[in-house]
Amino acid sequence: SQTIHQWPATLVQPVGSPLSLECTVEGTSNPNLYWYRQAAGRGLQLLFYSVGIGQISSEVPQNLSASRPQDRQFILSSKKLLLSDSGFYLCAWSPGGLYEQYFGPGTRLTVT
Amino acid sequence: TQLLEQSPQFLSIQEGENLTVYCNSSSVFSSLQWYRQEPGEGPVLLVTVVTGGEVKKLKRLTFQFGDARKDSSLHITAAQPGDTGLYLCAGGGNEKLTFGTGTRLTIIP
Repeated sequence: SQTIHQWPATLVQPVGSPLSLECTVEGTSNPNLYWYRQAAGRGLQLLFYSVGIGQISSEVPQNLSASRPQDRQFILSSKKLLLSDSGFYLCAWSPGGLYEQYFGPGTRLTVT
Repeated sequence: TQLLEQSPQFLSIQEGENLTVYCNSSSVFSSLQWYRQEPGEGPVLLVTVVTGGEVKKLKRLTFQFGDARKDSSLHITAAQPGDTGLYLCAGGGNEKLTFGTGTRLTIIP
């Protein structure tokens, strides 16, 4: 069966510090991968998605970036965090086709 | 830009009552998913509908995709406290999903 991992679970970072969130998927190959951000109790905002190694599509211009160095690894980064980057970050994978997505446990990021 | 509006935004009802949550858009989607999310966790997929007019049942939950594939509804019969959570609809197309604004459901024992 497929499993998706995200870490860390929680993170507190000062403004201006760098960020690296990692997501890995097990039990499947060539998945579509996604990064979302969620404001408290609200819907999900798509940040980046990838349909293959090295292929990144950005949905929202901001100070975040994403990379996919391996087939089942997706990384969300920032060189300098802003207060507005605080939120709940979710990674998801999809086998494609009907677009069903399966989510990781999320990372709660607080920028202070 | 594709938008999915959910209504109501918040719903609090007594255990045993019935309820319906709506998901509406002006855009056509290839598929429509419903997810439920608990606090501090990732959303969990409940159902996928792909054909206009399609109805799917999952125990006490009934999901319907609109004939024009622009809207969907989720009906819960005899709600239970375990149904409490954030319900999200999502429309699929072009390798990605557009998520709705969410409905926070609270079932009071």
